[in-house]
Amino acid sequence: QVQLVQSGAEVKKSGASVKVSCKASGYTFTTFEINWVRQATGQGLEWMGWMNPHSGKTGYAQKFQGRVTITRNTSIYTAYMELSSLTSEDTAIYYCARGAGFSGYGSLDYWGQGTLVTVSS
Amino acid sequence: EILMTQSPATLSVSPGERATLSCRASQSVSSNIAWYQQKPGQAPRLLMYGASSRVTGIPGRFSGSGSGTEFSLTITSLQSEDFAVYYCQQYNNWPQTFGQGTKLEIK
Repeated sequence: QVQLVQSGAEVKKSGASVKVSCKASGYTFTTFEINWVRQATGQGLEWMGWMNPHSGKTGYAQKFQGRVTITRNTSIYTAYMELSSLTSEDTAIYYCARGAGFSGYGSLDYWGQGTLVTVSS
Repeated sequence: EILMTQSPATLSVSPGERATLSCRASQSVSSNIAWYQQKPGQAPRLLMYGASSRVTGIPGRFSGSGSGTEFSLTITSLQSEDFAVYYCQQYNNWPQTFGQGTKLEIK
């Protein structure tokens, strides 16, 4: 069965960076895009960006351009999302999700369990 | 960026009854929307895509309709496990965007 397993919770200081991992299993990692979505406590869902694990090609929401980097290691079926220059506004649960479409278009059919990132001053 | 507006914010319905959740797009998104269900402490779960296609394994009491700018998710004969927050998402235009959610609560 398809599974996306994310790394554990993180606590970071303002100005630092965080890198969250997402390990895929149950399907061919390079044939589906990985998207990242975040959710602040009690809030809605905010899409951050996508990556094609085969080509490494990425696309980011304008809000996060210059601060977010999505990468992958195909040998261990793992995608990563790194967010820099953290502020308290970045405190949220970060989800990876498999994309059913292409180039950041499409529904998100499987989700990781989420990683809580807490940013403190 | 396309704004997705869901209504109502909270919907109170009794078990066994029918619930209809609405989602409006700020411009046409054709039929390129999806619906997700999220329960407390869990990741969202995909229910519907292409506005009206049900994901394998989702019960038949869930149905979606609409195209262009107006969409709805209908749940007939509500079960206890259906009470959750529901989000619509458009993936027709860049960037994909989500609605703010509708909380379906037990009346």
